[in-house]
Amino acid sequence: DGGITQSPKYLFRKEGQNVTLSCEQNLNHDAMYWYRQDPGQGLRLIYYSQIVNDFQKGDIAEGYSVSREKKESFPLTVTSAQKNPTAFYLCASSLGQRGNQPQHFGDGTRLSIL
Amino acid sequence: KQEVTQIPAALSVPEGENLVLNCSFTDSAIYNLQWFRQDPGKGLTSLLLIQSSQREQTSGRLNASLDKSSGRSTLYIAASQPGDSATYLCAVYRGSTLGRLYFGRGTQLTVWP
Repeated sequence: DGGITQSPKYLFRKEGQNVTLSCEQNLNHDAMYWYRQDPGQGLRLIYYSQIVNDFQKGDIAEGYSVSREKKESFPLTVTSAQKNPTAFYLCASSLGQRGNQPQHFGDGTRLSIL
Repeated sequence: KQEVTQIPAALSVPEGENLVLNCSFTDSAIYNLQWFRQDPGKGLTSLLLIQSSQREQTSGRLNASLDKSSGRSTLYIAASQPGDSATYLCAVYRGSTLGRLYFGRGTQLTVWP
């Protein structure tokens, strides 16, 4: 079955530590996205990528970094510069970045501070 | 900046009721609008996508309407069931070249038997 796989499901970060969240898709989608969801809040866009080796900052990119070396993979690193990283992180993909293509989501990674 | 508002924030109804969830957005220059469902601790499942040129979309017991001029969309759920209990999120695509979604905070729906 085609879909988006996020791992791990739960992740804990120590002070001063960088952690990387994995996102893999086998839908052959060109565009991929990372969102952050806080309790009672809507999703906010962190980074997005239209094609391999290209990505753009979203609304809350500070303290995060991404790479897009392969079409199917879009890992997100939460750096020590992100002072409030506790949240639910969702990865999504779409066939293209034009607005007529629906976005499909993974099951998320919940990140907490130790 | 596009702002998306969903009312009510929470809704609790008995099984079998027909119900309406509301979504409003500030910038009417949207490309389309998407409704999602989110179960606790899970990702989002796409329910319906309405293009800006369309007035409504239907899927089973769900019907979503779009009125761009007034900046509103509604999601109608017919004959609600306990399995419909979830958070429903509305999101708009702004612009025709970038697939950026702007989300509302969601309506948490509980359908009790």
